[in-house]
Amino acid sequence: QSVMTQPPSASGTPGQRVTISCSGSSSNIGSHTVNWYQQLPGTAPKLLIYTNTQRPSGVPDRFSGSKSGTSASLAISGLRSEDEADYYCAAWDDSLNGVLFGGGTKLTVL
Amino acid sequence: EVQLVESGGDLVQPGGSLRLSCAASGFTFSSYSMNWVRQAPGKGLEWVSYITSSSNTIYYADSVKGRFTISRDNAQKSLYLQMNSLRAEDTAVYYCARGLISSLSCMDVWGKGTTVIVSS
Repeated sequence: QSVMTQPPSASGTPGQRVTISCSGSSSNIGSHTVNWYQQLPGTAPKLLIYTNTQRPSGVPDRFSGSKSGTSASLAISGLRSEDEADYYCAAWDDSLNGVLFGGGTKLTVL
Repeated sequence: EVQLVESGGDLVQPGGSLRLSCAASGFTFSSYSMNWVRQAPGKGLEWVSYITSSSNTIYYADSVKGRFTISRDNAQKSLYLQMNSLRAEDTAVYYCARGLISSLSCMDVWGKGTTVIVSS
């Protein structure tokens, strides 16, 4: 069964650097680009990182993405209270013939 | 302003049907693929369906295959999701999202969502 695994939670203090991992397989991350979405409480998801490493216009450069093999990571530097949100990775999956989202990571800014 | 606005969410009994709509504005709708993504209460995001700009390629999640139908009307700048044989597990906020050509899983514009509740 195709799945992309994220830690359910992450935390950091203001100013810290936090990374969120996304572990997949050859049918998804290993073969396709990864995108990251941020969902602030009570709002719709927002595209944060696309094509593994690219930031849409308006996304601060504190956010960065990387990919290696069948895993990807989202890094947030200079953590701010407004970064408290749920973060999801996503990739196309050849086995499912569809988009696969990771389970999501709830980021808490202490 | 680029915008997507969903409508059609409602309370429906198990086994019932519902048609969701998504109205696009501020961009050339006919040039973009589109997606439906849902989020059950307190749960993560689940992709539902994808349609290319010309409707010639369509994909569905296994959980909705055979029950849901995605379609679009480029002249009306609208996306639709016909939902039949609804189940309690279809209860969710349904988002429409614009796709990017460069990546099948990249959705760069999202609507605010419409709520579907399946309950007797």
